[in-house]
Amino acid sequence: GQQVMQIPQYQHVQEGEDFTTYCNSSTTLSNIQWYKQRPGGHPVFLIQLVKSGEVKKQKRLTFQFGEAKKNSSLHITATQTTDVGTYFCAGRGTGANNLFFGTGTRLTVIP
Amino acid sequence: NAGVTQTPKFQVLKTGQSMTLQCAQDMNHNSMYWYRQDPGMGLRLIYYSASEGTTDKGEVPNGYNVSRLNKREFSLRLESAAPSQTSVYFCASSDGGYLGDTQYFGPGTRLTVL
Repeated sequence: GQQVMQIPQYQHVQEGEDFTTYCNSSTTLSNIQWYKQRPGGHPVFLIQLVKSGEVKKQKRLTFQFGEAKKNSSLHITATQTTDVGTYFCAGRGTGANNLFFGTGTRLTVIP
Repeated sequence: NAGVTQTPKFQVLKTGQSMTLQCAQDMNHNSMYWYRQDPGMGLRLIYYSASEGTTDKGEVPNGYNVSRLNKREFSLRLESAAPSQTSVYFCASSDGGYLGDTQYFGPGTRLTVL
């Protein structure tokens, strides 16, 4: 079955350092979404990528979709304490009905 | 707009008990979903409803049933709860077709089965 793996599982950074989480699928994806979940909260949509090689930016966040549409990454520049939370990727396979979530990367930012 | 609401927020059950988790959305979305979230497992789809009157199994449907009561409401029922069903349950909704749509999540129900 389809799997979406995400690494690392945990990441601790000093405030101001950069952070990257990676998402890899066993199959080609039609699109990929990224969500953020604050501690004790619920997932909140950040962005969707659809095109091969697509790059999108939201302020300090940069999202990339691989050329083969099987991997994606989220990079945060100069982390802030407000970036704390778990970041999930969610991919949909071509022709698939389900959205498969990655296992998430929990980011801790040390002030 | 309240978005997606879920009740209850917390629940403790004994093995074998039954309960229904309620979900409602006020965004006029066609599609609704139930997920469970376990540590280290991400979110896994239990059931979804692409439109009013239809429901389909997701990745982990065993031990659950759902009802799409109307366009607004989508309930999840545990007929005979088991400790393995201890989890955080999230309801979500999306507009239009379910392929590639942004999902809006409710606040979650934290369920413990003893």
